[in-house]
Amino acid sequence: GNSVTQMEGPVTLSEEAFLTINCTYTATGYPSLFWYVQYPGEGLQLLLKATKADDKGSNKGFEATYRKETTSFHLEKGSVQVSDSAVYFCAPSSNSGGSNYKLTFGKGTLLTVNP
Amino acid sequence: NAGVTQTPKFQVLKTGQSMTLQCAQDMNHEYMSWYRQDPGMGLRLIHYSVGAGITDQGEVPNGYNVSRSTTEDFPLRLLSAAPSQTSVYFCASSSDRGSYGYTFGSGTRLTVV
Repeated sequence: GNSVTQMEGPVTLSEEAFLTINCTYTATGYPSLFWYVQYPGEGLQLLLKATKADDKGSNKGFEATYRKETTSFHLEKGSVQVSDSAVYFCAPSSNSGGSNYKLTFGKGTLLTVNP
Repeated sequence: NAGVTQTPKFQVLKTGQSMTLQCAQDMNHEYMSWYRQDPGMGLRLIHYSVGAGITDQGEVPNGYNVSRSTTEDFPLRLLSAAPSQTSVYFCASSSDRGSYGYTFGSGTRLTVV
């Protein structure tokens, strides 16, 4: 099955700093790749996705590029805000028969942004 | 726009009791899943369903049962609760073969004493 290695946290940054959260994965076939975000006390929300090699997913200033050659999907943001404080999860899907409905989650990276 | 609704939000059980965690979605999604979230473990897949009448086991299915009689509902049953099942449980649904990712419910925090 799939596996995910995600940068361990916690990560603490000052507002407007640059953010990188590393994610590498092992998977069979051609998975879709997702980043989810979990704000305190809430469920997970889809942050961004990429479905094929070299695709760049982006949302709310966050970006991640599907790198098939390095099996990576690192999350970046140029200038973080206090409101970005949350737990971030990298999740490749299992590609089976054209479906991507089974996700494997990383352990999550807690980000705290200080004013 | 309800999305995925989970009930209850909190529950305390005694060891050996049984209960059902409810999950309903109103988006006509064919795929539904149950995950548990434990500190330092990320989310682990318990059971999933690719459509009404079809379910399968995930990574950690022991001690849990599911059924999918309708597209909308996907309840998770704890047969005989154990302290190891203390966790936060999330239900999620997806359409279009999962290509757009999952929509998650807000979770059920379960404590087994």
